[in-house]
Amino acid sequence: ETGVTQSPTHLIKTRGQQVTLRCSSQSGHNTVSWYQQALGQGPQFIFQYYREEENGRGNFPPRFSGLQFPNYSSELNVNALELDDSALYLCASSRQGSGNTIYFGEGSWLTVV
Amino acid sequence: SQKIEQNSEALNIQEGKTATLTCNYTNYSPAYLQWYRQDPGRGPVFLLLIRENEKEKRKERLKVTFDTTLKQSLFHITASQPADSATYLCALESDYKLSFGAGTTVTVRA
Repeated sequence: ETGVTQSPTHLIKTRGQQVTLRCSSQSGHNTVSWYQQALGQGPQFIFQYYREEENGRGNFPPRFSGLQFPNYSSELNVNALELDDSALYLCASSRQGSGNTIYFGEGSWLTVV
Repeated sequence: SQKIEQNSEALNIQEGKTATLTCNYTNYSPAYLQWYRQDPGRGPVFLLLIRENEKEKRKERLKVTFDTTLKQSLFHITASQPADSATYLCALESDYKLSFGAGTTVTVRA
């Protein structure tokens, strides 16, 4: 039990639709990162939020966007869904800074049809 | 370009033996290297972190080595048990993010 909660656990969307995924970080953690994991691959960094601001971004297009709230919970929004967006989306929380333990949620499985 | 490569083949070992997993990287200068365990359909679970100035780290039956000259980390599971069967991910921490390898699947036979 990592204390990181994600919702929903599974969802199916149609190409072109929009999706919002949610994450509650572990108590005391002020940094949230989102990762995309395709089947058989390692997680790929999407972006990180710290103090409600985007603190770094991976190689993902602008239709992937996020928010962090004052209680450090976070949302990942994906617009204009494509078939290749089908993946496990992982939220990770930690304290800000390098070398801190990072705790992952169980993920949200997104299928785009 | 940057690359993180883990054992390309899955590892099948007999219970009680030592599993050794390899993580090689190019064009990274990580301050930290981390190992995670991932069970099917679950999120990764943190196992060990090793700093660039550390050569070796141990935790119970797990041992990690980190050679920044060879750009390689080795992950050992000693006295393996069927419950150790999972995918193990190597991750490099640089700046604010983790970059992961594709993982190595380990199956321990009773």
